[in-house]
Amino acid sequence: DIVMTQSPLSLTVTPGEPASISCRSSQSLRHSNGFNYLDWYLQKPGQSPQLLIYLGSNRASGVPDRFSGGGSGTQFTLKISRVEAEDVGVYYCMQALQNRTFGHGTRVEIK
Amino acid sequence: QVQLVQSGPEVKTSGASVKISCQASGYTFTYYYMHWVRQAPGQGLEWMGFLNPSDGSTVYAQKFQGRLSMTRDTSTNTVFLELSSLRSDDTAEYFCGREDYGGVWYSGVDVWGQGTTVTVSS
Repeated sequence: DIVMTQSPLSLTVTPGEPASISCRSSQSLRHSNGFNYLDWYLQKPGQSPQLLIYLGSNRASGVPDRFSGGGSGTQFTLKISRVEAEDVGVYYCMQALQNRTFGHGTRVEIK
Repeated sequence: QVQLVQSGPEVKTSGASVKISCQASGYTFTYYYMHWVRQAPGQGLEWMGFLNPSDGSTVYAQKFQGRLSMTRDTSTNTVFLELSSLRSDDTAEYFCGREDYGGVWYSGVDVWGQGTTVTVSS
């Protein structure tokens, strides 16, 4: 099974400041078609997960452009250019190359 | 509008089975895989498997092989998850989520159900 490792475990950010979350996979997530099968999800308190980014860098419909995903192979990053209060919650990366595996999550709080 | 509506909370005893449902509306049911993901209290997300509503084929996480079953009813656009030999560590919130497998490219799990609480007591 592909193991996903996220860092940090938690993050406290001042509104308007940037934030960055890393995700590492135990195997390359790059498919033969050239795409990286890596998603990012946000689970806000008391809610279901919501898709932010798919294929490593593609924003899902309705996701603000302050969210961006990057990386390739085994190293990926989710960046929030200017954190807003509504961005609090737990962020998960998930690999979709072989079945699915989630990272353990990164909790983002507002200072 | 597109939505996934899950069945209500369940309370079961250890060793029993539970069957929960996820009813889809607002889109073509057979064009999207349905995934199941669970979340134990205070813990992270755990992928359990998915079903292809078009032909009923399934893929399960190794951890659940032998006690997990996913089925569907295309007449009601509903997917079912049945978990047997329940243990206390199966206590969790269970989410369904759809994935478009017919598109040109993979596009993530873009719509999720509201969750179903399953409590297993000894």
